Amino acid sequence: DTAVSQTPKYLVTQMGNDKSIKCEQNLGHDTMYWYKQDSKKFLKIMFSYNNKELIINETVPNRFSPKSPDKAHLNLHINSLELGDSAVYFCASSLHRQGRTYEQYFGPGTRLTVT
Amino acid sequence: AQSVTQLGSHVSVSEGALVLLRCNYSSSVPPYLFWYVQYPNQGLQLLLKYTSAATLVKGINGFEAEFKKSETSFHLTKPSAHMSDAAEYFCAVGLTGGGNKLTFGTGTQLKVEL
Repeated sequence: DTAVSQTPKYLVTQMGNDKSIKCEQNLGHDTMYWYKQDSKKFLKIMFSYNNKELIINETVPNRFSPKSPDKAHLNLHINSLELGDSAVYFCASSLHRQGRTYEQYFGPGTRLTVT
Repeated sequence: AQSVTQLGSHVSVSEGALVLLRCNYSSSVPPYLFWYVQYPNQGLQLLLKYTSAATLVKGINGFEAEFKKSETSFHLTKPSAHMSDAAEYFCAVGLTGGGNKLTFGTGTQLKVEL
């Protein structure tokens, strides 16, 4: 009964390759997020989708493209991987209503290593 | 704009001692505040949240935090540390009308010693 799941957990690939990370939530939330956590544990939001609509799009290289086929899924595709993309990527989900901020629930993370 | 500052990237306490992790926020409107814990090789887990209902918030695993508007603080405490509390702790702030965006602090690594 995992709430927010991500696949794969580990991803090792070479520079220049294209890879995808998948995320699914079964909490009934309508908003999902992608975060990047660097080697110093700094957590930075990348994207957020609400009901399949992009609502947060931070300054991220356009090599990163999120896709939300439905509100329970949010995938992250990365083109032309670079060494600096090595990090742990977290998916999260929450409710979203005007007028307040809801807590977010995080997946277990995907450790991406680019060699 | 919203931001949080966590003072002390590393905190070390003895088992059984008081845990105090500091978080100060910056917000032009009443904030929503959260504490998360991250154990090694795991995702973030919500410890507690402040949503303006009560200034003293109790969370899981014996943790609590007090919202002090005058000090713009939301420090996390636990009366007695346990070895299992060793982890990375993150404070986060969100704003009304902010698209549910959370801004995280830089984290505090808690070490618990025998």
